[in-house]
Amino acid sequence: KQEVTQIPAALSVPEGENLVLNCSFTDSAIYNLQWFRQDPGKGLTSLLLIQSSQREQTSGRLNASLDKSSGRSTLYIAASQPGDSATYLCAVRYADSWGKLQFGAGTQVVVTP
Amino acid sequence: GAVVSQHPSRVICKSGTSVKIECRSLDFQATTMFWYRQFPKQSLMLMATSNEGSKATYEQGVEKDKFLINHASLTLSTLTVTSAHPEDSSFYICSARDSDRGNTEAFFGQGTRLTVV
Repeated sequence: KQEVTQIPAALSVPEGENLVLNCSFTDSAIYNLQWFRQDPGKGLTSLLLIQSSQREQTSGRLNASLDKSSGRSTLYIAASQPGDSATYLCAVRYADSWGKLQFGAGTQVVVTP
Repeated sequence: GAVVSQHPSRVICKSGTSVKIECRSLDFQATTMFWYRQFPKQSLMLMATSNEGSKATYEQGVEKDKFLINHASLTLSTLTVTSAHPEDSSFYICSARDSDRGNTEAFFGQGTRLTVV
């Protein structure tokens, strides 16, 4: 069974600290992996997309790594700000999924001023 | 990035009535769209895959007669929750990919908060 797990489920850090969010998946035959941000009651904002052939992607303060062999991806957010408070979701598109995404349960992040 | 517009963002309906939710790709064509459901404090679960011009493909356990999906054009998919009950109250969200750009990221609508009273 293909599963996506995110640890920790919740995280609280003071402003300025770096954030490390983990995502693991059971089947290494992935097409790509995508990180999203979700604010309470809102839709999803795509943060980074990593293709299966890539090792990492960067956008501003965000960096996401991908290790297919170990079934892991990590999202790093440097110098966190209160505005980074949200739930972060990782989603895996498997090679045989016809474009469907399988989501982790998310990590709820709170950055305190 | 590409824009996916979902409407309405919030709806309250009486038990037994039907509700239609629209999902539009505004600046690209999408032969395939996906409908997800999210319960409070839980992650998104795929309900069905909407295919332009053909029948939707439903995930196991999703009632196709209750959740009617129509994908009549390359930019519009609709989800109709028929004979809604309080247990159908949830956050529904659609996503689409740009058909002309192959293996690209998925873009999501703003979601629809459905409350059945």
